[in-house]
Formats: sequence, structure tokens, C-alpha cells
Amino acid sequence: GAGVSQTPSNKVTEKGKYVELRCDPISGHTALYWYRQSLGQGPEFLIYFQGTGAADDSGLPNDRFFAVRPEGSVSTLKIQRTERGDSAVYLCASSFSTAGELFFGEGSRLTVL
Amino acid sequence: GENVEQHPSTLSVQEGDSAVIKCTYSDSASNYFPWYKQELGKRPQLIIDIRSNVGEKKDQRIAVTLNKTAKHFSLHITETQPEDSAVYFCAASMNTGFQKLVFGTGTRLLVSP
Repeated sequence: GAGVSQTPSNKVTEKGKYVELRCDPISGHTALYWYRQSLGQGPEFLIYFQGTGAADDSGLPNDRFFAVRPEGSVSTLKIQRTERGDSAVYLCASSFSTAGELFFGEGSRLTVL
Repeated sequence: GENVEQHPSTLSVQEGDSAVIKCTYSDSASNYFPWYKQELGKRPQLIIDIRSNVGEKKDQRIAVTLNKTAKHFSLHITETQPEDSAVYFCAASMNTGFQKLVFGTGTRLLVSP
């Protein structure tokens, strides 16, 4: 596709449920990032992939959060036992090289009731 | 860790006026400073960036200045237009080899015709 694609665009779930958020980066982009944006705030770094491996996951809030990128392209962010505080827009971004310009997706808005 | 502060939180100008947004950062190791524009419900988009070996960079109506000694950088928009209305985020990143960005809290710019 022409840009970074994220699905679902909106997800409403109940506290305690499991959710998966998918990111399809720009073709050929080897670097992939997940950021989280709470209402009225700037994006906050969660995790960075170079290829298939998570090179830096220091931004993941706790062990309920996990992300994979098994084939070096599509990535899935997984959140277990969701809490109301997890409500935010989860942004995925990709870049052609490690220090290249970030291209963000439109985000997945997660609401935990 | 790095902390980025951004001011003002809101800025209203008349079309044709200039707008200035200021950011300060805390970690002297930061060396990359991008600015993103985010329209309501849309993805953040890079509009200009500067690296620590440069003091100023300009792209048409947009310019960014960096003062490494004072650890602050600013976005300048001249001849503002209504389509410049959006939220602008500054960010800082250290030379980690990838874009682990720390964002400011954003400035909502409103340009009135």
C-alpha cells in the first residue's frame, strides 16, 4: 500500500479482555515502531523492531503488553487483561532505514470500558 | 531520561501573521529534533527536522532553530494560512541509531482568516 496501514481503526473492549492491533508498514521499510498517544498528549515510544527482532522494547508499560513481527513486515501489538488506563490511540510507524523519516499510520483507537 | 517541554499549549493568530512554538529538552546527548503536524484525527506528519550540527534550517514558510547551549529549539511559521491550523509536536532523540523519539505535549495552532 501507499502508507502505513493499521487495523482496526477503532476497538472497544471490556476491562480484562485481550486485544490485538495490527500494523502493515510501507513495503520495503525494515524499521517499525509502536507509539501510544493518550488524549491531549504527544506520542510515547513503546517498541522498535529492526527486521523481525525487537531491538528496543523499553517503552512497553508492563508485561501485559507484547509485540511481534515474525516475518519482518506486519507487526501485531498484543495487550492482555486490558485496563481502563490502556485507552489511547496506538500509532505504528515505519521507516526505510534505522535513522530515516518516520511514516505514521492513522492509528488504532482503543477504548477499554 | 529525556524530557521535552513545549510552549505554548495553544496559539491563535490571524492569517498572514507569524507563529513561533518553543521546546526545551533535558538531555544534552539528544541530537535529532523533528517537528510533526497532526490534524484532528489524522496521523502525525513530519514537517521539518534539524540535527545538532546545524543551528537553523528553513523550508519555504517553515524554519527551525536550535540552541544547543540552552537546550532549546523553536519552530517558526511565517505568513500563516488557515490550513496551517493543527496540533504541532516537537520531539527529541538521542543518537541511538534509531528514532526513539520523546515528544512534547503539543501546541494547538489556530489560524483565523
